[in-house]
Parts: sequence; C-alpha cells; structure tokens
Amino acid sequence: DAGVIQSPRHEVTEMGQEVTLRCKPISGHNSLFWYRQTMMRGLELLIYFNNNVPIDDSGMPEDRFSAKMPNASFSTLKIQPSEPRDSAVYFCASRNRRVDEQFFGPGTRLTVL
Amino acid sequence: TQLLEQSPQFLSIQEGENLTVYCNSSSVFSSLQWYRQEPGEGPVLLVTVVTGGEVKKLKRLTFQFGDARKDSSLHITAAQPGDTGLYLCAGFNAGKSTFGDGTTLTVKP
Repeated sequence: DAGVIQSPRHEVTEMGQEVTLRCKPISGHNSLFWYRQTMMRGLELLIYFNNNVPIDDSGMPEDRFSAKMPNASFSTLKIQPSEPRDSAVYFCASRNRRVDEQFFGPGTRLTVL
Repeated sequence: TQLLEQSPQFLSIQEGENLTVYCNSSSVFSSLQWYRQEPGEGPVLLVTVVTGGEVKKLKRLTFQFGDARKDSSLHITAAQPGDTGLYLCAGFNAGKSTFGDGTTLTVKP
C-alpha cells in the first residue's frame, strides 16, 4: 500500500525561479494538506482541500504561493518567484474524511539560494 | 487561533529512564493525535485519542487525553535509543489539525 508520494525530494533553486512541488495522496483519501516546516516556525498548515476543492488557504504566506488539485490523485504547490526565505521542508498529507488522522509524505526539502 | 504548547521543547535522557511530554491548549479538540518524526522523514502517526480522560497504551508509550479534551500527555517507560525523534501533538477540529511545536527527544545509550 503506497503512502503519500511527493516529488522532488530535494530542490535547490535560485532566487526568482519558479518552483513546483508535487503530491500524490493515498488512494481513497479525500482531504489533502500542504504544510511547511522550519526550525523557527515549526509545522505550519498552508492550505487544504476537500474533494479537490480548496477549503482554507489562510496559511498561504503570499500571492507568490499557489496550490491546485486538478483531480483526486494529484496536487501541486507552486512558488513564483521563489525567495531565500521560502527555504523549508514542504510536506503533503492526506486524510480519509471519516477519520481524523493524517498521513504524511516524506517531504520536499527546498533550498532557495 | 487554536494554539498547542508542548513541553519540554528539548529532552535528553539516558537509556532506561522514564519521561513525560505535555501538550496543552486553551481550546477544546474533537480528537488529538501524537506523531513521531525522524530526521529527513515526515511525521508518522502514533495514536489518536478521542474521549476525555482516555488512556491508550502502545508498548512502552502511554497516551492520555485530558478530561476537558484540551490537553494530553505522552509517557515513555524505559526509553530506548530508538525512541529518539521529534514528538508532535496535533489537535483536530473542523477538518484540520493544529500542531504543537514539538518535543525533541534524545535517548543516549
């Protein structure tokens, strides 16, 4: 049983470049969450979707960040343009809405130079 | 805004010792989860507690949910080096979770 899949696992880019992070949730899960984790701020919820519809994007830091979920098995988080302060580990998690638990992917470590 | 405070932030102990980690909030949660995260990996679910006063045991780990469903504790008996990691509590309400800042546990052999 495959867990949440994220790609890439590591991304190094230069300031100003566009970054796209990808997530495939667990099959059958109908909620998807994007988080950012840093030493300073811990684990922050950026946005979450129910049945592919964005429900709460209040955690998205700026207009440079956008997220889409075109279908039940795929989501993207895009940063354009990227800045050094965006450097963090970005996690995707999914949940079956009948239960409370979330299951996390391995994360994407983003470094913006 | 629902906040979860975890204490202590860091804990370094010797193998065989017991420890307790606390997770406190002024908000009531419908359930609370505990996760463990190892370096380079995502958080892994350990347990969910739902009922006020509930106690769950997972081998040497004992989890308790406060009577008012605002706080929780994690107790580890006879800690082992394999218990080393970041322990996160998360309170669940209205479809989403609020995470504490975590407790970094180091168990020395």
